[in-house]
Amino acid sequence: QSALTQPASVSGSPGQSITISCTGTSSDIGGYNYVSWYQQHPGKAPKLMIYEVNKRPSGVSDRLSGSKSGNTASLTISGLQAEDEADYYCSSYTSTSYVFGTGTKVTVL
Amino acid sequence: EVQLVESGGGLIQPGGSLRLSCAASGFTVSNNYMSWVRQAPGKGLEWVSVIYSGSATYYADSVKGRFTISRDNSKNTLYLQMNSLRAEDTAVYYCARALGTGDIDHWGQGTLVTVSS
Repeated sequence: QSALTQPASVSGSPGQSITISCTGTSSDIGGYNYVSWYQQHPGKAPKLMIYEVNKRPSGVSDRLSGSKSGNTASLTISGLQAEDEADYYCSSYTSTSYVFGTGTKVTVL
Repeated sequence: EVQLVESGGGLIQPGGSLRLSCAASGFTVSNNYMSWVRQAPGKGLEWVSVIYSGSATYYADSVKGRFTISRDNSKNTLYLQMNSLRAEDTAVYYCARALGTGDIDHWGQGTLVTVSS
């Protein structure tokens, strides 16, 4: 149950696009289309932003999109806005359990 | 409206036990996958345990044999019994409702557990 690997930080200017990677193995990301992404602001509970690799819950901005290739999933935020500054975590199903990523701090310059 | 309210956190000595509760409203706990996720101070999220609608339970290796997830259908409440607590169990514990795929669509506000002498 090793954590999925994410870059510690990603930054971009307002209006730019950024991509956060999430690397796992064939036992988690590579084996299932059950990858989700969560946004967490300081002191708050996480919020589901993407599920089943590329689906957005109702109310989540269409500036966010998810994808997967092999053992790596990605979250792209386009048209970066100040409100996007937060921590982001990926997560994957692993047959009997679940695993989160190490987390990425997104900074809007 | 879906709501999850955790309680039961606090300061506990190493080796001690604590039971966390999560009162749910707006949906039926027994019909959903329910999870506990924790976050140590300044650290990332760590999945702890899940109970499926069919009652199967699974645990992270770090808590297996020490923690027990359960639910009381009559009270629509989820529990986490934590025994043999260690300093590394110190974290905010979140109760969460998961979709059929395990993706968590609702989170509680969290309850802080501090294991220290």
